[in-house]
Amino acid sequence: QKEVEQNSGPLSVPEGAIASLNCTYSDRGSQSFFWYRQYSGKSPELIMSIYSNGDKEDGRFTAQLNKASQYVSLLIRDSQPSDSATYLCAVIGGFKTIFGAGTRLFVKA
Amino acid sequence: AAGVIQSPRHLIKEKRETATLKCYPIPRHDTVYWYQQGPGQDPQFLISFYEKMQSDKGSIPDRFSAQQFSDYHSELNMSSLELGDSALYFCASSPRDRGYYGYTFGSGTRLTVV
Repeated sequence: QKEVEQNSGPLSVPEGAIASLNCTYSDRGSQSFFWYRQYSGKSPELIMSIYSNGDKEDGRFTAQLNKASQYVSLLIRDSQPSDSATYLCAVIGGFKTIFGAGTRLFVKA
Repeated sequence: AAGVIQSPRHLIKEKRETATLKCYPIPRHDTVYWYQQGPGQDPQFLISFYEKMQSDKGSIPDRFSAQQFSDYHSELNMSSLELGDSALYFCASSPRDRGYYGYTFGSGTRLTVV
């Protein structure tokens, strides 16, 4: 079992819809959780971080964390074609970040 | 704002050759991380340095070595290159005490081994 698991997708949503990306992790002691966006051939870009149970909102992005279920999600409201990318879930275990395989998101105009 | 600088951006080497990748972290960031990302794969942690000392080690082959210098830049040395080493190599930096707030990645070096 991978330490951080994501559905590889692709996830396809129409423009203006809500995109929901999910991630589970195995290390119950993990404390810090991140979502990175990566366009093809480019480096990952940090878009959200969350550290405590509940929701965290930043613009069109909402991160949700449930430590009891070892689950973290990212909601993208009013999805735009420019949101089309791979979204990497990342979890800190010790002092290194473990990445999930990423979910490819396509937003259709 | 200054970002993480990696060089070269692209590198083509033949099998069994040696390659050196360089990373210049954001000023005042004392921790550097190296990741390898194969085509369609997630980034795999290779190695990290804090204050010029190796702080953690991941799936780095014995053919690879790395170090962090007094100016905090880091170099990844890769010897006896194999076709499977072809990948994007990312460097990321963070201040040690803010490592829990995420990394800033460089633009990466695309290594092609032929």
